[in-house]
Amino acid sequence: ETGVTQSPTHLIKTRGQQVTLRCSSQSGHNTVSWYQQALGQGPQFIFQYYREEENGRGNFPPRFSGLQFPNYSSELNVNALELDDSALYLCASSFRGGPSYSYNEQFFGPGTRLTVL
Amino acid sequence: GENVEQHPSTLSVQEGDSAVIKCTYSDSASNYFPWYKQELGKRPQLIIDIRSNVGEKKDQRIAVTLNKTAKHFSLHITETQPEDSAVYFCAASKGSNYQLIWGAGTKLIIKP
Repeated sequence: ETGVTQSPTHLIKTRGQQVTLRCSSQSGHNTVSWYQQALGQGPQFIFQYYREEENGRGNFPPRFSGLQFPNYSSELNVNALELDDSALYLCASSFRGGPSYSYNEQFFGPGTRLTVL
Repeated sequence: GENVEQHPSTLSVQEGDSAVIKCTYSDSASNYFPWYKQELGKRPQLIIDIRSNVGEKKDQRIAVTLNKTAKHFSLHITETQPEDSAVYFCAASKGSNYQLIWGAGTKLIIKP
């Protein structure tokens, strides 16, 4: 069992509302990536945070935003929710060792199931 | 941008037989190729990965092969068991941003 945790487990919102999802990274990890997984599909990269700064973004609109805190935990915020935002949101933590890095495994949390009505 | 295609979408094999899942990628700069297993309602878990400087990697019943020229990589599972039933995802990554681009997944069904 990995040390990555996410909250809440499930969430139901209505169109137009805003939501905040939280992720606690595994001990020793400094990088958090967020993915959206629609039912029956592969995860889609939303963005990644490294040392509290956004470090790469996928094809998601600006109403998807995030934060990383000094303890490397992270938040995903989605404004103006749309029906298509209904999905499993996964965060993954990893360790990045600086300018000369080697790719390290991403460990996933259990996900937050968001339903937009 | 990178695009990863995965086939087949569903694979049904007899218990004890082998299963092969194939992926192709579009960006020749991709250099890291992990495979994840996701059971229903659970998180993806890494089962094996390969980097672009290696052509093949094996871990017990699981192996991955990479053909950089053709830009495709494959997952091989031998002596399949009921607990191998799950959805398998391939992914590709390049550069410094750790962005994983995922395939659409393969539902593997092991028939008793």
